Amino acid sequence: DAGVTQSPTHLIKTRGQQVTLRCSPKSGHDTVSWYQQALGQGPQFIFQYYEEEERQRGNFPDRFSGHQFPNYSSELNVNALLLGDSALYLCASSFPGAAYEQYFGPGTRLTVT
Amino acid sequence: AQSVAQPEDQVNVAEGNPLTVKCTYSVSGNPYLFWYVQYPNRGLQFLLKYITGDNLVKGSYGFEAEFNKSQTSFHLKKPSALVSDSALYCCAVNTNAGKSTFGDGTTLTVKP
Repeated sequence: DAGVTQSPTHLIKTRGQQVTLRCSPKSGHDTVSWYQQALGQGPQFIFQYYEEEERQRGNFPDRFSGHQFPNYSSELNVNALLLGDSALYLCASSFPGAAYEQYFGPGTRLTVT
Repeated sequence: AQSVAQPEDQVNVAEGNPLTVKCTYSVSGNPYLFWYVQYPNRGLQFLLKYITGDNLVKGSYGFEAEFNKSQTSFHLKKPSALVSDSALYCCAVNTNAGKSTFGDGTTLTVKP
């Protein structure tokens, strides 16, 4: 059983561009959450998707948006990239009845130049 | 609102000595507590969790953590540190809704 997968592994973008990151949850999981982790710091919650809708959101601007597909996979979109958006973006999934237990993917390293 | 505090940005220990990485939390309701380790250029790796039951939780690689409800703490410990334990350690508290709140992380350096 594959765990949480994310693509791409690494990405380099220019300031002002837009980026899309992808996540496939662990089999049987229906909830996907996204986190941003700056170098040397703990992850920060961006938002969570359940039943194709954004259910919770952290303190991130509207430039950060997402989507969940019927197969539970998810995308994170960031518009008008800033240098400060450079970070590791982590996806986590959880299954019904145990939403408190998150399974994390390996992350996508985004560098904005 | 829930929060996690890791009061030490850095912890330095000598190989073979015991190590402690501190974590305190604030949450309404039952806490679901987790420790993760992150090696350079890698993702988060699960170490251990407290959901319910025994206050002393044993995890991967010889790590353990003690849940203390009165002090709202969940400190990570290991009796004998290895150089290979050097990494970033992140404490998190989760809710039933599946949101993880992390501390700022503690960088552990184990010197030979």
